Amino acid sequence: QVQLQESGPGLVKASETLSLTCTVSGYSISSGYYWGWIRQPPGKGLECIGSIYQSGTTNYSPSLKSRVTISVDTSKNQFSLKLNSVTAADTAVYYCARRRTAVFDFWGQGTMVTVSS
Amino acid sequence: QSALTQPRSVSGSPGQSVTISCTGTSSDIGGYNYVSWYQQHPGKVPKLMIYDVNKRPSGVPDRFSGSKSGNTASLTISGLQAEDEADYYCCSYAGTNTFEVFGGGTKLTVL
Repeated sequence: QVQLQESGPGLVKASETLSLTCTVSGYSISSGYYWGWIRQPPGKGLECIGSIYQSGTTNYSPSLKSRVTISVDTSKNQFSLKLNSVTAADTAVYYCARRRTAVFDFWGQGTMVTVSS
Repeated sequence: QSALTQPRSVSGSPGQSVTISCTGTSSDIGGYNYVSWYQQHPGKVPKLMIYDVNKRPSGVPDRFSGSKSGNTASLTISGLQAEDEADYYCCSYAGTNTFEVFGGGTKLTVL
């Protein structure tokens, strides 16, 4: 069974960089699929942030592209998210998930990240 | 404002059927047969219920079905059960610049 687990700080100061890592078990990232990040502000809907393929090919949401970097470490079976210059609007639950075109079939449990002023 | 438009809420009684709509444009729903639906109970992780417009993952009851007409996709839940009460989100592929977009979510209440 594919399992994903997010990790990283739950509190980030405004203007700094949010950094999260997703560790995948039960499936090798090198075997295929894209691996993505999705977020959900409190009480609001889901928003795609971006995703990465094993080769390092990335795609990002146009609205976040200027601030986002997603990277992959196949040796650790992990992929990571960096979102810079954060504001209160970036406060959300951040999920990692396995992705193919418009399908997110396995999700992590999510991690709440709060941006403090 | 979400890229895809869903009703904020729908409701139905146990045993009835309900349909949740998801309206986009020719650049997303209307342009591709890549629509998925997710169920999210409060405080829980979203769960894939429908993909590729009308396919069900293993383990999802056949009470859940999906369809698409033009720029609008729909999720129909028949034989409503109490445990179906949740938020439902649609998702569509939107091309190589935008990739995926979600709807704003619909709260389903089982009366």
